Amino acid sequence: AQSVTQLDSQVPVFEEAPVELRCNYSSSVSVYLFWYVQYPNQGLQLLLKYLSGSTLVESINGFEAEFNKSQTSFHLRKPSVHISDTAEYFCAVRKGGSQGNLIFGKGTKLSVKP
Amino acid sequence: DGGITQSPKYLFRKEGQNVTLSCEQNLNHDAMYWYRQDPGQGLRLIYYSQIVNDFQKGDIAEGYSVSREKKESFPLTVTSAQKNPTAFYLCASSITYWPQHFGDGTRLSIL
Repeated sequence: AQSVTQLDSQVPVFEEAPVELRCNYSSSVSVYLFWYVQYPNQGLQLLLKYLSGSTLVESINGFEAEFNKSQTSFHLRKPSVHISDTAEYFCAVRKGGSQGNLIFGKGTKLSVKP
Repeated sequence: DGGITQSPKYLFRKEGQNVTLSCEQNLNHDAMYWYRQDPGQGLRLIYYSQIVNDFQKGDIAEGYSVSREKKESFPLTVTSAQKNPTAFYLCASSITYWPQHFGDGTRLSIL
């Protein structure tokens, strides 16, 4: 069965520091990978996705993630975080054999301190 | 603007009561989903529907029911059989094979 593991439940960092949120997945089939962001009391917003092609994908607000097939990872990185990046981040993988169902990790709460 | 509307934002349930959460989308998406979110648990799939008049159970369907009579609407009923209904409920929709778009959620609590 497919699964997603987010290795850190909470990540505190100072403003302008770099950050990496880790995500590992298990799958025996081709995967499609996603990162979503959730601000308090809101729904999830798609941050970036890997469907095929280049293994490095970027978002419009400076985040990037790299698909690493050999390490079954899809870590999210940002070289310099802002206070406004404080949120919960979810990694997800499309369930094999389904048309759109996603399996989510348990989330990582990023807390950016001044 | 196109999007997904969930209502109400906050809902309270009494013992033995069924409550219905509304989800409406104007994105013309075929697929719709209901998730339950508990702190530290991520999102768990309750029900999903790929087409009107058809829906499938997700991982935690017990105590819940849905209908899909219209493409735009996918209401979720939390029945009295769901003994621990307190959670944040999220509705999502997608074009088949594409990423899901989410509503802003309904927070359900027990009185």
